[in-house]
Amino acid sequence: AQTVTQSQPEMSVQEAETVTLSCTYDTSESDYYLFWYKQPPSRQMILVIRQEAYKQQNATENRFSVNFQKAAKSFSLKISDSQLGDAAMYFCAYRSAWISNMLTFGGGTRLMVKP
Amino acid sequence: GAGVSQTPSNKVTEKGKYVELRCDPISGHTALYWYRQSLGQGPEFLIYFQGTGAADDSGLPNDRFFAVRPEGSVSTLKIQRTERGDSAVYLCASSPGGSGNTIYFGEGSWLTVV
Repeated sequence: AQTVTQSQPEMSVQEAETVTLSCTYDTSESDYYLFWYKQPPSRQMILVIRQEAYKQQNATENRFSVNFQKAAKSFSLKISDSQLGDAAMYFCAYRSAWISNMLTFGGGTRLMVKP
Repeated sequence: GAGVSQTPSNKVTEKGKYVELRCDPISGHTALYWYRQSLGQGPEFLIYFQGTGAADDSGLPNDRFFAVRPEGSVSTLKIQRTERGDSAVYLCASSPGGSGNTIYFGEGSWLTVV
């Protein structure tokens, strides 16, 4: 079974600075998808960014980018120019390319943004 | 609708009671998922529907939990003889189906069993 580990329960960043959230995963599959979701106090999980494992190029969405290291099974999220609205729980998630029924989530990282 | 809609938003029930949680997915989405999120943890998979049938219910913790999706749209998660350990946020999600499609989540139903 796949597992996803987020080793940072909490992170703090100064507004306008850059922060990196870590995620590692374990799988025996070669084809899969990785995601970062943001969960604000409203509880809704909002997709931040996704990465297909077969793509070597790291995904980027505006201020959000990932560092995908397939051999190391590492998938970190970098947030540039942090904003107060970025404060939330961030979850890393794994999804098999062959078994489409579920996302496997990490335990989450709480990001605090200081003004 | 514009997004995944879940009702009720919050539910407080007494231990031993029966509860139903409803999910209205994004129109046209064939895949529907239920997850459970305990306080301070990531969501855990419960069940997945493709159309009307439960394609994978391996995440349901025991036979007190049951879910249906009779017409391939709205789904109801049913919990019998609730226990205090069932207290959690129950998240519903939907997607167009297929492993590559994005899964969209609702805001969840926060169940408290007292």
